[in-house]
Order: sequence, then C-alpha cells, then structure tokens
Amino acid sequence: AQSVTQLDSQVPVFEEAPVELRCNYSSSVSVYLFWYVQYPNQGLQLLLKYLSGSTLVESINGFEAEFNKSQTSFHLRKPSVHISDTAEYFCAVSDRNTDKLIFGTGTRLQVFP
Amino acid sequence: NAGVTQTPKFQVLKTGQSMTLQCAQDMNHEYMSWYRQDPGMGLRLIHYSVGAGITDQGEVPNGYNVSRSTTEDFPLRLLSAAPSQTSVYFCASKRQGLSEAFFGQGTRLTVV
Repeated sequence: AQSVTQLDSQVPVFEEAPVELRCNYSSSVSVYLFWYVQYPNQGLQLLLKYLSGSTLVESINGFEAEFNKSQTSFHLRKPSVHISDTAEYFCAVSDRNTDKLIFGTGTRLQVFP
Repeated sequence: NAGVTQTPKFQVLKTGQSMTLQCAQDMNHEYMSWYRQDPGMGLRLIHYSVGAGITDQGEVPNGYNVSRSTTEDFPLRLLSAAPSQTSVYFCASKRQGLSEAFFGQGTRLTVV
C-alpha cells in the first residue's frame, strides 16, 4: 500500500529565511505527487503538482518542489518565506492505477517576524 | 462556479445518533472521496468512488457508509455515532487520471 512520510510535524522559521518541508513516498508504480496547503479554518488548496515532464515544479507564490524518483522524495522549498506562508502543508501521492489520493500527516509551518 | 459543496459546516451529535454528511460537486468529476482530519494524523481516506454505482473502502472505513447514485452527490452516513468519530470531514472530487483533487470547506463534527 502507498504511504507518505512527512518527517517534520512543525517547522518554525523567521521571515525571509529559506525553508524546506520534506516528503517521502513509498510506491513501486508510477505516481502523481502533490503539495496542498491549508490555512487556518479553511479547506485544502492545491499548491503545486508533479504529473509528468520536468521534475522541478513551481507555484505562483514562490514555492517549488523537485520530484526525485531514485530517493522517492518530493521536498517543498521556498528561498524566502513570508508571514502569510504560515499554514499547514500536506504532501500527497496518487497511484496512477487506482487513483486513490493518500496524504502525509502534514507539516505546520510557522513563520515568525 | 460552486466546485465542491459540503453541508453542514458544523454538527454536534449525541453518541448513538445517526446523520448524513452531504457532498455535491458540479464539475462532472468521476472520482469522489471522503477524508477525516485529526491532529497529528493528517487526512485519512474513509471511502471513495470512481463513478456512479461504484464505491470502495479507504484506510479507515469502519463506522461509515457511502453510496453514489449520481455523479454529483456522494453522501457519508454515520449509522451510530461514537466519540471517536469527532473530527473534521472533507469531501474531494477529481477527474480520473491526470488531475488534481478539489476539496470542500469541511464539516466539523463533534460527538458527545
């Protein structure tokens, strides 16, 4: 069965510092990979996705993630965070055969001034 | 464009009561699913459906029933609520295959 591991449950960081949120998945088949963001008391919004093609994907608000097949990782990075990036971030994997979307346990990013 | 609509937004139940959480989507998506979100556990898949008349179990199906009589609707039923079912429930839909999932705003359920 697929699983997603987010090693860091909380990541505190100061504003304008770089950040990396780690995600590893376990799957022996081709997968789609996603990062979703959840702001307080809201639903989940798609941040970025890897479906095929270039292994580096970017979001409109400066986040990027790189698909690394050999390390089964899809880490999320941002070179300079803002207070408004404070939220919970979920990595998810979808098996191309079953279409089920499985989530990690989430990483709470807290940006301090 | 409504997207995925969940009702109600909040609900308090007594142990043993039954209720149905409603989910509707207007994007003609084949795939719909229900998740529960609990602190430190992320989102766990309860049930999912790949089309009308087809449902299957996810990671944590016990205590929940679903049906999919139309493409648009995917209700989640709690037959006899338990305090362990206190959670935030999210419904999601997507096209099959190469696509992202869209989420509703969630239902916060408390069972006392």
